[in-house]
Amino acid sequence: NAGVTQTPKFRVLKTGQSMTLLCAQDMNHEYMYWYRQDPGMGLRLIHYSVGEGTTAKGEVPDGYNVSRLKKQNFLLGLESAAPSQTSVYFCASMVSGGIGTQYFGPGTRLTVL
Amino acid sequence: DAKTTQPPSMDCAEGRAANLPCNHSTISGNEYVYWYRQIHSQGPQYIIHGLKNNETNEMASLIITEDRKSSTLILPHATLRDTAVYYCIVRVVNTGNQFYFGTGTSLTVIP
Repeated sequence: NAGVTQTPKFRVLKTGQSMTLLCAQDMNHEYMYWYRQDPGMGLRLIHYSVGEGTTAKGEVPDGYNVSRLKKQNFLLGLESAAPSQTSVYFCASMVSGGIGTQYFGPGTRLTVL
Repeated sequence: DAKTTQPPSMDCAEGRAANLPCNHSTISGNEYVYWYRQIHSQGPQYIIHGLKNNETNEMASLIITEDRKSSTLILPHATLRDTAVYYCIVRVVNTGNQFYFGTGTSLTVIP
């Protein structure tokens, strides 16, 4: 049982390049989330999904797209990376509804030059 | 979801109890209080949650005031490994299940 895994762990992009971050969970959780964390700040929600085939915007969605084609995977895409998107990205999953807690992955450190 | 206010930093001597306060004066009746911590840039880790009653698990105790406007997370015997940023979050169950993390309290356990 690996829990929540994120790929890649580190990445350096040039401005304008695109990339996709992969989040995978093996706990059969319905809900999945993408957060970003900038230095000295708390986590901010980018997008989330309450089930396969569904996505919704969070607090800071601009510049990102997401897809949830399979229940176990949640992809975060950057179509045209900007230096302002330099951050650490965390994925989380949670059992649907109720008072469930979120389980977090180890994070992806992204630098956009 | 209700906003929370936490002190930006605290120190605690190793072996002593660490008491981390959180103010959530606008909390509504159906909002739970959650605590997470983040150790040195790792993914946040769930600690404990509660609605009205005090709660205890193997990691910590959560004391919620009777009016529910504030709470305290207690780490009974702090160790150096408890040095982390602690986040207090209140959220309504079943409303998109979004968690809003503030800047938390940076706890330093001193040898």
